[in-house]
Amino acid sequence: QKEVEQDPGPLSVPEGAIVSLNCTYSNSAFQYFMWYRQYSRKGPELLMYTYSSGNKEDGRFTAQVDKSSKYISLFIRDSQPSDSATYLCAMPAGGTSYGKLTFGQGTILTVHP
Amino acid sequence: KAGVTQTPRYLIKTRGQQVTLSCSPISGHRSVSWYQQTPGQGLQFLFEYFSETQRNKGNFPGRFSGRQFSNSRSEMNVSTLELGDSALYLCASSLEGVRETQYFGPGTRLLVL
Repeated sequence: QKEVEQDPGPLSVPEGAIVSLNCTYSNSAFQYFMWYRQYSRKGPELLMYTYSSGNKEDGRFTAQVDKSSKYISLFIRDSQPSDSATYLCAMPAGGTSYGKLTFGQGTILTVHP
Repeated sequence: KAGVTQTPRYLIKTRGQQVTLSCSPISGHRSVSWYQQTPGQGLQFLFEYFSETQRNKGNFPGRFSGRQFSNSRSEMNVSTLELGDSALYLCASSLEGVRETQYFGPGTRLLVL
């Protein structure tokens, strides 16, 4: 069993829809949680990171963490075609060692006009 | 500030050959991490270097090695290439690799024939 599980999709939604992306993890040592976005033929770019359980909002993006269930989510409101990308959840090993990230499989998202 | 650069961007090799990939981190960044990305396994951590020392290592065979120079530039080497080594190799840098954002380069796409 992988330490981080993520549904690879693909996920296809109409423009303006609310998108929900999710990951589950098994390692209780994971304390920080990140979401990366990767466009085709590009490297991943950090979207959001969070530590505590609860919600963190940044514009159209909301990251949610439930440590008791080992479950994290990323919500995208008013989705745009430019949001079409692969979304990866990631967690630093040992809680603080950001140099070693464990990634989910990635969810391919397509937002069609 | 220039981003993380990786050279070459594309590479074709044959089985049994060796290859060296290069990564130049963002100026001032001392932590450099390497990842392998494949459709089947996703993004997997290879190793991390900090101040010319390997600080973390993933679960890859000894054919995969790396090093970091005093100017923080890093190289990774894969010897005796196998077909399964075909992948996108990503390099990421951060200030010190602890509780900081990792910035990814565009990657080197390696095809082994």
